[in-house]
Amino acid sequence: DAKTTQPPSMDCAEGRAANLPCNHSTISGNEYVYWYRQIHSQGPQYIIHGLKNNETNEMASLIITEDRKSSTLILPHATLRDTAVYYCIVRVILSGGSNYKLTFGKGTLLTVNP
Amino acid sequence: GAVVSQHPSRVICKSGTSVKIECRSLDFQATTMFWYRQFPKKSLMLMATSNEGSKATYEQGVEKDKFLINHASLTLSTLTVTSAHPEDSSFYICSARDIRDLQDEQFFGPGTRLTVL
Repeated sequence: DAKTTQPPSMDCAEGRAANLPCNHSTISGNEYVYWYRQIHSQGPQYIIHGLKNNETNEMASLIITEDRKSSTLILPHATLRDTAVYYCIVRVILSGGSNYKLTFGKGTLLTVNP
Repeated sequence: GAVVSQHPSRVICKSGTSVKIECRSLDFQATTMFWYRQFPKKSLMLMATSNEGSKATYEQGVEKDKFLINHASLTLSTLTVTSAHPEDSSFYICSARDIRDLQDEQFFGPGTRLTVL
């Protein structure tokens, strides 16, 4: 799977939008962009994923550039509980039950300040 | 959403003893479970992939005789840390893959904090 690059840390004020960037310049055509987050001392939590179109769910929005070499996760109204490490991962979705791996990088520590 | 549990959430043991950690998929069948390890301020590192009814596949550098993995049913996988030593102290996290999920997601457990004295 393609490698991703994220800033090590970011700060955001409570109530404001948090925009977390991710570079994945070597992404291939059949690789999806996934975002997980990990709150301290908990297991990772799935947030959102996308292939080429922008996606939105109840947690966040995902904006993928037209060339797919980068993406941005947007938390529209960050709260203190959104403080976590955010991981951007690219992977292939396989059919037929083949195994795959999730490779976690160092992620971005987002700190939401009151 | 799919729920994965781990037991225990925390365990403290003496050096040289063995510790078993359970990972259960509560509301779905998981043909594959994954075991990760996370040291303080580090990212998750995949240790092994466990397929129901077959032997686990270990990542390079992970000792299969030290970290015994059993995946005997579609809802349960266990990781046994044998002859634990202080350097095995870590946060162990499992994830499970839902065979019915067309998006083929991995759902993560809450983790088990192992401290070896």
